Amino acid sequence: DQQVKQNSPSLSVQEGRISILNCDYTNSMFDYFLWYKKYPAEGPTFLISISSIKDKNEDGRFTVFLNKSAKHLSLHIVPSQPGDSAVYFCAASERGFKTIFGAGTRLFVKA
Amino acid sequence: DADVTQTPRNRITKTGKRIMLECSQTKGHDRMYWYRQDPGLGLRLIYYSFDVKDINKGEISDGYSVSRQAQAKFSLSLESAIPNQTALYFCATSSLDTQYFGPGTRLTVL
Repeated sequence: DQQVKQNSPSLSVQEGRISILNCDYTNSMFDYFLWYKKYPAEGPTFLISISSIKDKNEDGRFTVFLNKSAKHLSLHIVPSQPGDSAVYFCAASERGFKTIFGAGTRLFVKA
Repeated sequence: DADVTQTPRNRITKTGKRIMLECSQTKGHDRMYWYRQDPGLGLRLIYYSFDVKDINKGEISDGYSVSRQAQAKFSLSLESAIPNQTALYFCATSSLDTQYFGPGTRLTVL
């Protein structure tokens, strides 16, 4: 049973436009959420996180939104750049305990 | 120098062989993890350790074992490798929730 789901395996976006990556979770005990970015032949790297006490966190071009009632979070990238092309993993944890990762969404940003 | 290193980076082995993957970290974190990545399945947790004396099974620990030799070192062993253990393996470390990953080991079991 997947506790963290990323239902879109891939997403293609034009350079300069907004990229929206979605993630759903089932465990209401999760209280901390993270996004990681992975390039080929490299390990995932931390991108941005959000605590369950917030509904939005912003870091430059990256914004994460959390809707606790819907058990849904999304990552917005504005504007999208070709260098953003990568696999993005959503992750969730009960703070301080193990983290569960989604299957990932591959983002293609076309120049 | 990288904060998290993994050796080897690539390994091809045969069914039934014993394999050890090694991980070292210089971040000074207590927590370390082993994941495998398979297409369409994301990162799945094999084992994790919250300190040197603590070892816990993850989602898919069958067929694997680990050793936490020191705060900085966490190794993963496949006692008798089988083809469905062909995957990309990642080691990670954290102080709490944010994890720092190594570059991965691509393991192929023939």
